[in-house]
Amino acid sequence: DAMVIQNPRYQVTQFGKPVTLSCSQTLNHNVMYWYQQKSSQAPKLLFHYYDKDFNNEADTPDNFQSRRPNTSFCFLDIRSPGLGDAAMYLCATSRENDEQYFGPGTRLTVT
Amino acid sequence: KNEVEQSPQNLTAQEGEFITINCSYSVGISALHWLQQHPGGGIVSLFMLSSGKKKHGRLIATINIQEKHSSLHITASHPRDSAVYICAVRWTDMRFGAGTRLTVKP
Repeated sequence: DAMVIQNPRYQVTQFGKPVTLSCSQTLNHNVMYWYQQKSSQAPKLLFHYYDKDFNNEADTPDNFQSRRPNTSFCFLDIRSPGLGDAAMYLCATSRENDEQYFGPGTRLTVT
Repeated sequence: KNEVEQSPQNLTAQEGEFITINCSYSVGISALHWLQQHPGGGIVSLFMLSSGKKKHGRLIATINIQEKHSSLHITASHPRDSAVYICAVRWTDMRFGAGTRLTVKP
């Protein structure tokens, strides 16, 4: 059974057109993370929610926003995607600081 | 300097060989993770370690806290083991190594 689900798996958007990526989990984990991974690079943490508390990494661009309406769902909003935002976006969850469970990722293409 | 260093960057092996991937880190950590990422992107958590050794099937992970070093071993490697293996440490947040790209040839 899928535990961390990301939709869509592949997303194509136009330069400057807002896009939302979605993550849901069936694990009832209290922490949810969004990572950006560019080709041949390590994942980079964008932000995470500890319960309802939002924690933004210092170098995450303002262009990236997130929402967590409930325990199960978390959204990544990219307000004005640029060509440099093309990447794999990975969602992960954990209970407290325990092991992280990753979703399959959403590959974003910006045209 | 990256807090997490992996070696080698790339590794090619013949099916059946014993494989070792190394990870060194420079900060005090609460846990170390070994992750597997296949082409297409999905990441699977293989191990989370804070001390000693863990084994799962053909995979073995060890950590030496004093030396700030961990190894991932694959016994009797198989082409389906071909993937990128990533070491990540939990410090103030999660810090990732650059990954080791393993190719196992039949």
